[in-house]
Amino acid sequence: EIVLTQSPATLSLSPGQRATLSCRASQSVGKYLNWYQQKPGQAPRLLMYETSNTATGISARFSGSGSGTDFTLTINSLEPEDFAVYYCQQRSDWPRTFGQGTKVEI
Amino acid sequence: QVHLVESGGGVVKPGGSLRLSCAASGSSFSDYYMKWIRQAPGKGLEWVSSVGTTNSYTKYADSVKGRFTISRDNAKNSLYLQMNSLRVDDTGVFYCATEGGDFWGQGTLVTVSS
Repeated sequence: EIVLTQSPATLSLSPGQRATLSCRASQSVGKYLNWYQQKPGQAPRLLMYETSNTATGISARFSGSGSGTDFTLTINSLEPEDFAVYYCQQRSDWPRTFGQGTKVEI
Repeated sequence: QVHLVESGGGVVKPGGSLRLSCAASGSSFSDYYMKWIRQAPGKGLEWVSSVGTTNSYTKYADSVKGRFTISRDNAKNSLYLQMNSLRVDDTGVFYCATEGGDFWGQGTLVTVSS
């Protein structure tokens, strides 16, 4: 199975700063990499699909890049509501797999 | 837009069974591949199973293969997960979602405990 490794595990930042989250795959997933945001007690919310496509209703502060095995989610000018856990997930192969998550905290 | 609502969670003893349901409303449910995702308490997300637009295409995580069965009834706009031979490590919140990840339910909690 494709293993996704996210780094860092925790990112401590302040509102207004930029967050850069990494997701590395154990083998190529092409462009088939999604990013999700999850807040406590809530279901995950799709942020980006196919690496760099912003999901409906998602702020333009979020952007995704990468291909193959290395991917990045960037959050420009963090807002208070952006502090959450972020997961990457590959849709290139079965079984679908998630990274272990990156917590963005104040 | 697809609105998803899970039900059927609860407390069950190891070795027991549960059937989760996911009721869909809004856009055409039958057009979407669907999946179940679980999250153990305080842990990350784990893909459990997916089904195509019909029950002829199904996929399972190795950890549930042979114990769980995913199915759908397009006439009832519903997705199901039959869970047999439940284990303590199956405990968690189970979410139904579209395979693309754009729509999720609120989750239903399954607790396997003696």
